[in-house]
Amino acid sequence: GAVVSQHPSWVICKSGTSVKIECRSLDFQATTMFWYRQFPKQSLMLMATSNEGSKATYEQGVEKDKFLINHASLTLSTLTVTSAHPEDSSFYICSATPIAGELFFGEGSRLTVL
Amino acid sequence: DAKTTQPTSMDCAEGRAANLPCNHSTISGNEYVYWYRQIHSQGPQYIIHGLKNNETNEMASLIITEDRKSSTLILPHATLRDTAVYYCIVRVAGGNQGGKLIFGQGTELSVKP
Repeated sequence: GAVVSQHPSWVICKSGTSVKIECRSLDFQATTMFWYRQFPKQSLMLMATSNEGSKATYEQGVEKDKFLINHASLTLSTLTVTSAHPEDSSFYICSATPIAGELFFGEGSRLTVL
Repeated sequence: DAKTTQPTSMDCAEGRAANLPCNHSTISGNEYVYWYRQIHSQGPQYIIHGLKNNETNEMASLIITEDRKSSTLILPHATLRDTAVYYCIVRVAGGNQGGKLIFGQGTELSVKP
């Protein structure tokens, strides 16, 4: 079946550094991918919609300059957390949908900012 | 805001059926009912979906009321590995906006020996 893969699975970084998380659709092309964030004991919260070849669409309250999204190809979207701080520590999850099909989630990437 | 409401938590004995309810009284005519589950520290896993007819697959059954305002996910023989948070979501199937999910708090199912 279709698979969405995220890398890295977990990352620890120092405060002030930037971290890039990749989301790949392994056996289908995705013009649209979605990024979610999940804090402990909470539900997933949609951050932004990643659009291949155009700018991402951010949900209200999500800083676009803080969370840079690039969707340069039909199989790859990247989320860069810039100048990360401890409050950015979270579980980041992407999802992707084939052009006219179902929705699949990645395994998630756990970010810990020291 | 999420368009669904679910109980916060439920317990189920191993080997018994787990029945997870979901209310979606404002569901639109073109919206499907989807169920996902999330095991701790993993991405959500698709379980089943339906529009108005009852559905069954190898994982579960989905019973949707005739007025489509509520549904029940049934795990026929729960195992310890079914312990997870179960999310009921309404969405338009397919298309770019169909992937834009609004998650509620879900039901934390604990399967006990």
